[in-house]
Formats: sequence, structure tokens, C-alpha cells
Amino acid sequence: ILNVEQSPQSLHVQEGDSTNFTCSFPSSNFYALHWYRWETAKSPEALFVMTLNGDEKKKGRISATLNTKEGYSYLYIKGSQPEDSATYLCARYNTDKLIFGTGTRLQVFP
Amino acid sequence: DAGITQSPRHKVTETGTPVTLRCHQTENHRYMYWYRQDPGHGLRLIHYSYGVKDTDKGEVSDGYSVSRSKTEDFLLTLESATSSQTSVYFCAISEPGRVRDVQYFGPGTRLTVT
Repeated sequence: ILNVEQSPQSLHVQEGDSTNFTCSFPSSNFYALHWYRWETAKSPEALFVMTLNGDEKKKGRISATLNTKEGYSYLYIKGSQPEDSATYLCARYNTDKLIFGTGTRLQVFP
Repeated sequence: DAGITQSPRHKVTETGTPVTLRCHQTENHRYMYWYRQDPGHGLRLIHYSYGVKDTDKGEVSDGYSVSRSKTEDFLLTLESATSSQTSVYFCAISEPGRVRDVQYFGPGTRLTVT
């Protein structure tokens, strides 16, 4: 099993704050890294899929970067809003499967 | 939204009874997955299928079996349910090479084993 680690486990921020979380993974034989957003009582939904070292992806106020050589990815949220409250999962693609981290739970307070 | 349904959505059963969960898709995706979600563990893969009658184990497959006789259906069976199998179960689908293997998740099934 290729362990995928995420930090922090949870994060509480005020509305308007910017925040970021980390996903670290084994860098050998890398193919792709996925980020998913998981709202309470819903199903995970894909945010980004990143494959190349140095990749940067952006969707609205959320962006992500990828470093495949050192085995980490950052997810950034600019100007957090209460609707950003969710668990953010990263997953490393490995031979037909995704290996998920345990997620970072973000709560944004008004 | 990807056409994925899971049934039942909620189930309470007794220890030792068999339980089958169904995942149904209308997207004709080749790959299907069963995960369980537990506090502190995120999503853990139980079994997956890469085609009709083609399945393989995930990291937490003990106590579970699967079958896929049609592209659209993937069944997860607990032969003799135990309390440790109380969890939320998610099905997911993907199509290799499409949107970089993004997985689309079903709504989940909450299983309680008493």
C-alpha cells in the first residue's frame, strides 16, 4: 500500500481567510494525483486531476499545485466562504486504483 | 451528475446475516469500485472490477465478496455480517483514459450491523 498523507486533519478558519493544506505521497512511479471535495451527507466530487511536475490547476477560488519529484501537492483556498466547508481528499493513482488520504476537514465560520 | 445509484441506502442487520449491496450505473463505465468510509480512515478500497466478471481485491477485502455479471451492476456481499462492518459504503465508477481516470461516486449506503 502506498501511503498518502494529508495535513492538517482539520482546520477552522474565519470567512475571508485564505488557507492551504498538504498532500504527501510516494514519488516513485507517479502517474496522477486527484483532489476531491466531500461535503457532509454528500458524495465526493472531483476537483482536480494533476499529472505533471509543476502542474497548477485552478477552479474559482480553489487552486492546487503538484511536485512529483518530492511527492507533495498543495491545495489553496483564497478568501474562504462558509460553502467551502467540506473534507478535501487527495488520492494517488496506482494501477487501476486510487489510494486516498484521510482528508483535511475544513470548517469556515461566518 | 453521473448516473450511479446504490441500494439500499440504509440497512440495519444482525450479526451473522448475509447482506448484499448493489451499485447500478447508466454510464457504461468499465471500472467499478466499492469503498468503505470510517472515521479516521477516509475512503478504503474493498474490491474493484475492471470489466464483466473481472474483479480484484482492495486493501480491506476480508469478509467481503463481489460479483459483476453485467457492465451496469456491481454487487458487494457480506457473507456473514460483523459489527466491524458497520460503515458507510460508497460505489464509484471510472472509465480509463477519460478525464484522467476521475472517479464518480454514488450516494452511499449506510449499513449498521447490530
